[in-house]
Amino acid sequence: NAGVTQTPKFQVLKTGQSMTLQCAQDMNHNSMYWYRQDPGMGLRLIYYSASEGTTDKGEVPNGYNVSRLNKREFSLRLESAAPSQTSVYFCASSDPRTSGSYRAYEQYFGPGTRLTVT
Amino acid sequence: RKEVEQDPGPFNVPEGATVAFNCTYSNSASQSFFWYRQDCRKEPKLLMSVYSSGNEDGRFTAQLNRASQYISLLIRDSKLSDSATYLCVGGGNTNAGKSTFGDGTTLTVKP
Repeated sequence: NAGVTQTPKFQVLKTGQSMTLQCAQDMNHNSMYWYRQDPGMGLRLIYYSASEGTTDKGEVPNGYNVSRLNKREFSLRLESAAPSQTSVYFCASSDPRTSGSYRAYEQYFGPGTRLTVT
Repeated sequence: RKEVEQDPGPFNVPEGATVAFNCTYSNSASQSFFWYRQDCRKEPKLLMSVYSSGNEDGRFTAQLNRASQYISLLIRDSKLSDSATYLCVGGGNTNAGKSTFGDGTTLTVKP
């Protein structure tokens, strides 16, 4: 049971190049997320997907596209990379957990992709 | 104003100390709250989910005050291995649980 896996672990791009970050989970979760984390800051949500076939914008979607290929996989694409997209990218997945009257989405993260755009 | 705000620290404490972190949230619609732990250059890992008014797990106690819109994390008998950044998270219980992360509080426990 690998949890959430991400590829690649590291990537260096030149400005204007494109690439796709891959994410897969084996926990049969419906919801998946892409975040970016800049140095000294918390995670900011780029896009999320509540279920296979649906995607929604998060806090910082500009410059990115996503694809929920199936229940397991959620990819993030940079069409024309910019230096401002240098960051660590984390993928996560979750399903709601119920405790009494509360319902919460505990998220499980992949190891991240460290992207540098020069 | 950020939706989830934390004191960034750093907190430097000796082993065995008790340390508390506070977090405030501005979105009154948030239903669920979490504390995640993040080690340097690693992914965040769920430490505790905060249900109702709070809960306890060993040396860790989380409390939630909905009226004042803050969450706290108390760590008792600090260990060297507790050194990490602690992220406060507020989320919904619908819409895929879309969540907002605080910027984190850094803790260093020293011998």
